[in-house]
Amino acid sequence: GAVVSQHPSWVICKSGTSVKIECRSLDFQATTMFWYRQFPKQSLMLMATSNEGSKATYEQGVEKDKFLINHASLTLSTLTVTSAHPEDSSFYICSAHGGAHEQYFGPGTRLTVT
Amino acid sequence: QKEVEQNSGPLSVPEGAIASLNCTYSDRGSQSFFWYRQYSGKSPELIMSIYSNGDKEDGRFTAQLNKASQYVSLLIRDSQPSDSATYLCAVNAGGTSYGKLTFGQGTILTVHP
Repeated sequence: GAVVSQHPSWVICKSGTSVKIECRSLDFQATTMFWYRQFPKQSLMLMATSNEGSKATYEQGVEKDKFLINHASLTLSTLTVTSAHPEDSSFYICSAHGGAHEQYFGPGTRLTVT
Repeated sequence: QKEVEQNSGPLSVPEGAIASLNCTYSDRGSQSFFWYRQYSGKSPELIMSIYSNGDKEDGRFTAQLNKASQYVSLLIRDSQPSDSATYLCAVNAGGTSYGKLTFGQGTILTVHP
């Protein structure tokens, strides 16, 4: 399957600061990437669809000014959590299409806001 | 009503048995169906995809799709302790929502020696 990487794998930050998470497709080009969030013992919730060269599409209830998404190239999408608060602590996972339909997930980034 | 619903579990089976995981979906226009395995603390790993009615086999895994009943299942034969994980059913509606996946809540599977 296709390889998707994320960086960092975990991060601890103080309340009020911003954190940037990178998602890269290593062996293929991805015009579309997806960002998910997963709280403990819950399933994945789609936050936004990241489109190369255009604005991201956010799911209902996700604050676009708080979760900034940039998809500047066919292999890189970034998610910036601005003014992070403890309730933003979660497991953030990106995914990309590796073929016609399959999505492959990055290893995830565990964010802890203190 | 949840868009994608899985049997609640947890499911516990002995080593060597068949594990059966079930999923129903509400959008009749859904096009693509996936099963992901997620180990604790890790991201999901794609194990099966299925697009047309019937069965699809890959090693010890068999996915079954019945679009008329809006039902998709995953069978794991000769279950191993390493199969113990959360299994996520995911559905893609297609059309303008191409690529977007809706996940079920997951079923925790435990395979005991």
